[in-house]
Amino acid sequence: DIQMTQSPSSLSASVGDRVTITCRASQSIDNFVNWYQQKSGKAPKILIYAASSLQGGVPVRFSGGGFGTDFTLTISSLQPEDFATYYCQQSYSIPRTFGQGTRVEIK
Amino acid sequence: EVQLVESGGGLVKPGGSLRLSCAASGFNFNKEWMSWVRQAPGKGLEWVGRIKSNSDGETTDYAAPVRGRFTISRDDSKDTLFLQMSSLKVEDTAVYYCTRDLFCISTTCYSHNWYDPWGQGTQVTVSS
Repeated sequence: DIQMTQSPSSLSASVGDRVTITCRASQSIDNFVNWYQQKSGKAPKILIYAASSLQGGVPVRFSGGGFGTDFTLTISSLQPEDFATYYCQQSYSIPRTFGQGTRVEIK
Repeated sequence: EVQLVESGGGLVKPGGSLRLSCAASGFNFNKEWMSWVRQAPGKGLEWVGRIKSNSDGETTDYAAPVRGRFTISRDDSKDTLFLQMSSLKVEDTAVYYCTRDLFCISTTCYSHNWYDPWGQGTQVTVSS
């Protein structure tokens, strides 16, 4: 199984901050990484697919990058509604696997 | 509106069975691959399994912890996805989400999928 390791597990940031979350795959997975946002008590929501493609309706302050084993999710200017948990997920092979999540909290 | 609505969750004793349903609307359900993802209390997301479309043979794949105990099926005439769970264990306690395996945006298709949309989730609690 491909392991997806996110860092950090949690972070505290202020509104307006630039935030970057990293995700490392245990083997090369090309650009087969997706990113999701999950708010407390709600279902996950797709943000980024294929490592860097922004899902329709998602604010442009969200961006993704990377290829192979190392990937990033960046929020260019953190907004109050962005406080949530973020997950990476690989779609390179079965079983699909998710990172453990990164909780973004208000400083 | 593209929508998924799960039902069927509840409290069940260890060793028991439960069947979850997921009603789809707003898209051509019969053409899509579908998946189940679960989330244990306070934990992250865990992929449970998927079912391909009828035209792709309705092939299923499962995560190791549930293989042989859970069965995913679909009824395209009713736009409904199912998850039959048997020999339930305490560690199966989770919110279960159904989701669509999306491969295409407009006319651009990829060889790999992402999940969109997701249902609201249904709680399954396995406890004596």
